[in-house]
Amino acid sequence: DAGVTQSPTHLIKTRGQQVTLRCSPKSGHDTVSWYQQALGQGPQFIFQYYEEEERQRGNFPDRFSGHQFPNYSSELNVNALLLGDSALYLCASSLLLAGGETQYFGPGTRLLVL
Amino acid sequence: AQSVAQPEDQVNVAEGNPLTVKCTYSVSGNPYLFWYVQYPNRGLQFLLKYITGDNLVKGSYGFEAEFNKSQTSFHLKKPSALVSDSALYFCAVRDTFSGGYNKLIFGAGTRLAVHP
Repeated sequence: DAGVTQSPTHLIKTRGQQVTLRCSPKSGHDTVSWYQQALGQGPQFIFQYYEEEERQRGNFPDRFSGHQFPNYSSELNVNALLLGDSALYLCASSLLLAGGETQYFGPGTRLLVL
Repeated sequence: AQSVAQPEDQVNVAEGNPLTVKCTYSVSGNPYLFWYVQYPNRGLQFLLKYITGDNLVKGSYGFEAEFNKSQTSFHLKKPSALVSDSALYFCAVRDTFSGGYNKLIFGAGTRLAVHP
């Protein structure tokens, strides 16, 4: 049973560029959440997708956007990158209709903005 | 505001001794509480959760956690620590204002160091 997968594992960008991160949920899961984990901090919720729509959003600017595809996979897009966007980006999946309270995380994508 | 506090940045324990990693929370309504572990350069691994029922919850790798409503705490415990338990531990609570969706609010993390 494949767990949550993310790509790429590492990424280096420069300020002002745009980046796309990808996530495939655990088999059978229908909900994808994205979190940002800055160095030395706990993960911060960015947003959550269910049925291809953004259902909840954390305190992140509109530069952060996402998408969920019919196969439940998801993308996180960040525009106009800032140095402060450097972080580990974590994707988590869950099954909403089963209560969905447990989120399973992928290994993350480490983004460095220079 | 809903929040999670992990009052210790680091916990040091000798191998074979019991360990406790502390967590307190502040939420409206009934809390859904979680513990996750993070090894270097890895994502978060789910350890255990409390939704309802018995206040002592058993999870993966011999870990357990005790829910205390009056003290609003959910401390992680293990009777006998292993060197391989050394990692970063996160306590999280589900945002009770998230409706049917699951926004998790995380603590800042506690680094557990188990010494041989």
